[in-house]
Amino acid sequence: QQQVRQSPQSLTVWEGGTTVLTCSYEDSTFNYFPWYQQFPGEGPALLISILSVSDKKEDGRFTTFFNKREKKLSLHIIDSQPGDSATYFCAASVGQGGSAKLIFGEGTKLTVSS
Amino acid sequence: NAGVIQTPRHKVTGKGQEATLWCEPISGHSAVFWYRQTIVQGLEFLTYFRNQAPIDDSGMPKERFSAQMPNQSHSTLKIQSTQPQDSAVYLCASSLGGENTLYFGAGTRLSVL
Repeated sequence: QQQVRQSPQSLTVWEGGTTVLTCSYEDSTFNYFPWYQQFPGEGPALLISILSVSDKKEDGRFTTFFNKREKKLSLHIIDSQPGDSATYFCAASVGQGGSAKLIFGEGTKLTVSS
Repeated sequence: NAGVIQTPRHKVTGKGQEATLWCEPISGHSAVFWYRQTIVQGLEFLTYFRNQAPIDDSGMPKERFSAQMPNQSHSTLKIQSTQPQDSAVYLCASSLGGENTLYFGAGTRLSVL
């Protein structure tokens, strides 16, 4: 059973544009929401994460928003660059303090065209 | 820090053969996770260990898949009687006790002919 839904499946944006990826989840006990970035031939790597006690976290050009009431989160990438072309996964887990399994969304393949 | 090391990077087996995949977690990390990645199913959780003890194997196909962590420096995923539908990239990840971040290896691409 897929507990984390992600959209769109793929997305193309122009260099310098803003990318918006979205996720929704079902389990209200989830309280940790990371976004992972994966390049071809590599494993996913943590990009940014947010806890359910927050509604926004920013790291350079990357910002994640969290809406607890609607059970949704999003990732915004401003000034998108060709080097951002990758597959992005949202994920969710229960438990803070480590060693909790992550449930991943389906992934969004992002292409940034110059 | 070499990161999580997975060997082999690619493995080709014939249908019905056994495949053993190896993972060396980051030194000092206390949790090891196994995931399977396919185009159709995405990233599927298989199993994880904490301090070498199996904690959750709810994602493991019961009959032919097994995982072990005999010491803190490596874990193995064994697939008996491999089938074409087992073809996937198998990813190992480790995390430091007390933190949520998973550090993934590059994966082992298993192809079952």
